[in-house]
Amino acid sequence: QVQLVESGGGVVQPGGSLRLSCAASGFTFSSYGMHWVRQAPGKGLEWVAFIRYDGSNKYYADSVKGRFTISRDNSKNTLYLQMNSLRAEDTAVYYCAKGGGPYGSGSLDYWGQGTLVTVSS
Amino acid sequence: DIVMTQTPLSLSVTPGQPASISCKSSQSLLHSDGKTYLYWYLQKPGQSPQLLIYEVSSRFSGVPDRFSGSGSGTDFTLKISRVEAEDVGVYYCMQGIHLPPTFGQGTKVEIK
Repeated sequence: QVQLVESGGGVVQPGGSLRLSCAASGFTFSSYGMHWVRQAPGKGLEWVAFIRYDGSNKYYADSVKGRFTISRDNSKNTLYLQMNSLRAEDTAVYYCAKGGGPYGSGSLDYWGQGTLVTVSS
Repeated sequence: DIVMTQTPLSLSVTPGQPASISCKSSQSLLHSDGKTYLYWYLQKPGQSPQLLIYEVSSRFSGVPDRFSGSGSGTDFTLKISRVEAEDVGVYYCMQGIHLPPTFGQGTKVEIK
């Protein structure tokens, strides 16, 4: 069965950095695009970033462009999100989600349990 | 970006009664490949979102048949034929035709 397990969340000061990981299993990781989606406390879902199956193309929400970097290691079945210059408004639970296909269109069909990032001094 | 608008934002339902949620998109979700890229998710309390319906009306693996989706173009509906206690949570519609995928505001469903 598909499993996505995020890690790397925690408390960080404004301006700091954090790297999230998402370990994938139960499917052919290298065949699917992958997303990061976040949810601020008590709020709705906000898409953050997407990476194609082979890492050839990456897309970002305007709110994180230039500060966050999505990447993947298909040999390790792992997705990453490098977060720099963190702001209080980046505080959220971060979910990785499997795309329904290799490119950006379609569903986010499986989600991890999420990892909490808190940006606070 | 495509804007997704859900109504109502909250719903209180008696067990066994039906429920309906509307979702409207700011542009058509019908792709030239013939598919309509509209999805429904349920986020149960304390859990991550789970896919219920894909491409307007197809139930995802393991989703009970009391859940159904309908609609076309820009107007879509999720229906629960008989609400059960385990259906409580926040329901989101999402468009997947163009990046970025965008979500509705969410509809909170509670049991009376």
